[in-house]
Amino acid sequence: DQQVKQNSPSLSVQEGRISILNCDYTNSMFDYFLWYKKYPAEGPTFLISISSIKDKNEDGRFTVFLNKSAKHLSLHIVPSQPGDSAVYFCAASAPGNEKLTFGTGTRLTIIP
Amino acid sequence: DVKVTQSSRYLVKRTGEKVFLECVQDMDHENMFWYRQDPGLGLRLIYFSYDVKMKEKGDIPEGYSVSREKKERFSLILESASTNQTSMYLCASSGSDRTGKGHLHFGEGSWLTVV
Repeated sequence: DQQVKQNSPSLSVQEGRISILNCDYTNSMFDYFLWYKKYPAEGPTFLISISSIKDKNEDGRFTVFLNKSAKHLSLHIVPSQPGDSAVYFCAASAPGNEKLTFGTGTRLTIIP
Repeated sequence: DVKVTQSSRYLVKRTGEKVFLECVQDMDHENMFWYRQDPGLGLRLIYFSYDVKMKEKGDIPEGYSVSREKKERFSLILESASTNQTSMYLCASSGSDRTGKGHLHFGEGSWLTVV
């Protein structure tokens, strides 16, 4: 049972344009959401997070939006740069639960 | 900067062998995790630990065990390796609190091939 879903396995975006990565979840108990970025042969690195009490969090070129009623979050990267080419995982956690549940990942390719 | 070190980057083991994957973190983090990453399946949690000698099953613990004798070290053990355990294994640690909302710091991963 995949509680966190990333329905797009891959995405290609022109350099300088906006990249939008999407994530859906089914567990209404999730109250904290994170995005991780992973380069080949490296471990994932934390990118940005959002608590369920907010609907938007911004950090430089990265913005995460949360729509609780739709159980949907998205990561916006603008402007996209070649170094953003990586696999992006969204993750979620519930209160009182030590673990993160990850999505299946989206491979983002930025075209120069 | 947090450093999570996984002892082996690439391993090839035979079916039925006992396999140890070691992970060490240098930031005095309470929580440590083992995930595996497979194409199309994302990261799946095998086991985690929030204190020395404590362990909790994740989503896919079957065929695995863990050991946490010291705070900085968390070992994943495959008692009898099978070909379906061929995967990339990722160790992570976090230290803010026990709710898992601390940001996970991952090691570089261990690629295990079971033949």
